[in-house]
Amino acid sequence: SQQGEEDPQALSIQEGENATMNCSYKTSINNLQWYRQNSGRGLVHLILIRSNEREKHSGRLRVTLDTSKKSSSLLITASRAADTASYFCATGDQTGANNLFFGTGTRLTVIP
Amino acid sequence: EAQVTQNPRYLITVTGKKLTVTCSQNMNHEYMSWYRQDPGLGLRQIYYSMNVEVTDKGDVPEGYKVSRKEKRNFPLILESPSPNQTSLYFCASGPTTAGGLNTEAFFGQGTRLTVV
Repeated sequence: SQQGEEDPQALSIQEGENATMNCSYKTSINNLQWYRQNSGRGLVHLILIRSNEREKHSGRLRVTLDTSKKSSSLLITASRAADTASYFCATGDQTGANNLFFGTGTRLTVIP
Repeated sequence: EAQVTQNPRYLITVTGKKLTVTCSQNMNHEYMSWYRQDPGLGLRQIYYSMNVEVTDKGDVPEGYKVSRKEKRNFPLILESPSPNQTSLYFCASGPTTAGGLNTEAFFGQGTRLTVV
């Protein structure tokens, strides 16, 4: 399966701290994306990094990609209680790009 | 407002009773897809469509049907639902570039289906 795997499965931090989540995947990719899901709701796109990029920033988000290790990390700086959600990485495969392969997610809890 | 709309949001049904979950997008996207989300398994693709009248199986298509007669609509049909199809379902859409979904996908709010 091409499905990614996030690590850790759950993360609990204090407000103001940084949160780091990792994603590993198995095959060559076209891009890697991070999504956020509030409990039981739809997924919201956060950031996309292409296979020829190594780092990308968007506001308090920083994503890195290491294609040699088939891994990515999502860093949320200065976390807020409103960041509490599940975070998923999704990979777009290099061939047909007709699917996003999702990991099982990291459940982040930010304690006020 | 750009959005993907699914209906219904919640549905409880009995085994064997045919049902349809509708999905509509107003962004003129070529690509549409259905996913199911189960605890510990993440999201798994059921079917996808790259354009009108073009559909194909995803990772877990058994027990489901889809159609794409119009660009904006992509209904998911369960001809004879079974309890193992109890799940949270998401419809997604996205623009295609270079022949594929190479950019972000937009998701509906989800349909929580329970089959008893």
